[in-house]
Amino acid sequence: EPEVTQTPSHQVTQMGQEVILRCVPISNHLYFYWYRQILGQKVEFLVSFYNNEISEKSEIFDDQFSVERPDGSNFTLKIRSTKLEDSAMYFCASSVGQGARTGELFFGEGSRLTVL
Amino acid sequence: GQNIDQPTEMTATEGAIVQINCTYQTSGFNGLFWYQQHAGEAPTFLSYNVLDGLEEKGRFSSFLSRSKGYSYLLLKELQMKDSASYLCAVDPDQTGANNLFFGTGTRLTVIP
Repeated sequence: EPEVTQTPSHQVTQMGQEVILRCVPISNHLYFYWYRQILGQKVEFLVSFYNNEISEKSEIFDDQFSVERPDGSNFTLKIRSTKLEDSAMYFCASSVGQGARTGELFFGEGSRLTVL
Repeated sequence: GQNIDQPTEMTATEGAIVQINCTYQTSGFNGLFWYQQHAGEAPTFLSYNVLDGLEEKGRFSSFLSRSKGYSYLLLKELQMKDSASYLCAVDPDQTGANNLFFGTGTRLTVIP
C-alpha cells in the first residue's frame, strides 16, 4: 500500500540552527501538507502546497519556515533558525485532491524535532 | 477563529459501544473528518462527513449535524486495539486544499 515517508524520524538540533525535514508524498497525490504536534497538544496545520506553490498557510508558518518541492518526489520543510518552541512532531501529509470526498489526508510517520 | 471541542478522555469496556462527541464552530464548513492516532504514531483516516446523517464503515460510524455543529464517532464491538486518541477535524475552507483544524483529541482506553 502506498505511503507517505518522512526523514529523519528524529532530529536533535541546537537553537538557532537550520533544519530541513524531508517527505516523499504518495506518487499520484497532488496536494501536500505539513502539520505539527507539540507533545500532548493538538495537531496544528502549518501549510498546504499545490501546483508548486503554497496554497494556504497558518499563522504559525512565519518567515522562519519555508517549503519546497525540489524535484518530482520530495517535499521539504525548512526551519531557518530553530527556537525551543519549535520542538514538536512534524507530520507530512498528502491527498489526491481537495474537498471532502477526495481530500482524505494520508499522514507520514512524522519527524520528531528536539531543539536544545 | 476555529473552535473544535471533544472530551479529553473516555474509558469503555471491551465488546461494548462507545460514542465520542465533537462540537465545532468554524468560519466555514467543507467536511468533518475523524482520525485515529495511536500514541507516538501518525493519525490515520477513519471517516468523513460532509452531508447530514450517518456514515457507516464496519465497526465505525460517524454522524454529522451541520445545523448543530455536531458530530459523533460510534465504535462498536470494542477491541483492546481501539485504545487510541480519536481526533475530530474540520476543513473550514471551501476553496483550496484540505487544511484541517483538529480538536485536541479524545483518548479512549478500552479495558477488559
